[in-house]
Amino acid sequence: EVQLVESGGGLVQSGGSLRLSCAASGFIFSNYWMTWVRQAPGKGLEWVANINQHGSEQYYVDSVKGRFSISRDNAKNSVNLQMNSLGPEDTAVYYCARDAGFWIHSAWVAAFDYWGQGTLVTVSS
Amino acid sequence: DIQMTQSPSSLSASVGDRVTITCRASQSITNYLSWYQQKPGKAPQLLIYAASNLQGGVPSRFSGSGSGTDFTLTISSLQPGDFATYYCLQTYSLRTFGPGTKVEIK
Repeated sequence: EVQLVESGGGLVQSGGSLRLSCAASGFIFSNYWMTWVRQAPGKGLEWVANINQHGSEQYYVDSVKGRFSISRDNAKNSVNLQMNSLGPEDTAVYYCARDAGFWIHSAWVAAFDYWGQGTLVTVSS
Repeated sequence: DIQMTQSPSSLSASVGDRVTITCRASQSITNYLSWYQQKPGKAPQLLIYAASNLQGGVPSRFSGSGSGTDFTLTISSLQPGDFATYYCLQTYSLRTFGPGTKVEIK
């Protein structure tokens, strides 16, 4: 059974840092891209960052570039999100998800097929 | 950057109704479009990938169609467990979610 379990959320002051982790099990972790998605209270979903299977490619939404860093440890089956220079606008539930590729008509088409339960990050001003 | 819009932003419907939600991309994304259902306090769940492919375990009353810039999610006969918020996601260039459509009980 595929499981993704996030940890590391909490209350932090504006300007502070936090490191989120996501522990994966039930699948060959090193075969998949992984992604972080966040959801501010009462708002919609926002994709934050993703990382390829080997950790050599990382992509970010513009609003977190230069402040957040995604990494992974394939030996420990985990993906991390280092968040620096946090502001109140970063307050959200953060989800990790498996960024899976589906082979459709000779192309890999990505979708997020498994999600963790989320971890809440609250940034106080 | 690719922008995604959804319509309507919310709708009221009754059990048994046919419901259609539309998602539009700011440029062609071919079929790099997926749909998610989210219930309050829960993580989203994948319903449809590559525009029209039903994820395993998802009831067949859910279907997706479209390509290029215009996509639809259809629920053929709304069930009590379907009252939720639905999001589309493009994965053609980076990733962008639509703003969501809340399906409420009439």
